Amino acid sequence: GAVVSQHPSWVICKSGTSVKIECRSLDFQATTMFWYRQFPKQSLMLMATSNEGSKATYEQGVEKDKFLINHASLTLSTLTVTSAHPEDSSFYICSASIGGLIEKLFFGSGTQLSVL
Amino acid sequence: GQQVMQIPQYQHVQEGEDFTTYCNSSTTLSNIQWYKQRPGGHPVFLIQLVKSGEVKKQKRLTFQFGEAKKNSSLHITATQTTDVGTYFCAGPGTAGTSYGKLTFGQGTILTVHP
Repeated sequence: GAVVSQHPSWVICKSGTSVKIECRSLDFQATTMFWYRQFPKQSLMLMATSNEGSKATYEQGVEKDKFLINHASLTLSTLTVTSAHPEDSSFYICSASIGGLIEKLFFGSGTQLSVL
Repeated sequence: GQQVMQIPQYQHVQEGEDFTTYCNSSTTLSNIQWYKQRPGGHPVFLIQLVKSGEVKKQKRLTFQFGEAKKNSSLHITATQTTDVGTYFCAGPGTAGTSYGKLTFGQGTILTVHP
């Protein structure tokens, strides 16, 4: 099956710093990728839809200046958490679909962000 | 907007017992998908149901899609410790949204006591 690689797996940073998370589709091209946030024992909350070559589409309530998304190529999307604060601590996970009749998503392994 | 509700939130069973999780949508769905997320892992696609009243089986897992295409269920027969994890249902976005944009249910956390 399709593989989505996400790095880093975990990161600890100081409050006020920025953190970049990379999401790569390894064996297919993804014109669209999705970024989710997940709190412990909770569901996946869609943050934004990342579109190759254009601006990301953010869900209601998600600060686009806080969570910068860049989808510069068909295999790479990045999420940058700017000026991170402890409340940004969470599990961030990306996904992509390879198209076809089934809209199933392939997920990256996720990034656990801890802001001190 | 579209809402996908899933119950129960938690389910603890003894190994060998059956398990069922239910999913209800506020709107009619063109299809519904199920994912499993192991503790510490990422969601993995299990199946997609498309047709009204559809029933699909994967070994001990049975998936159903309601006649009205607004509800679905996942039933596991004779649970094993390897079934531990969170099971999510997910429905596609409303017309005009990006392909692959899904709305996830809250998930059911299954624990199995050996």
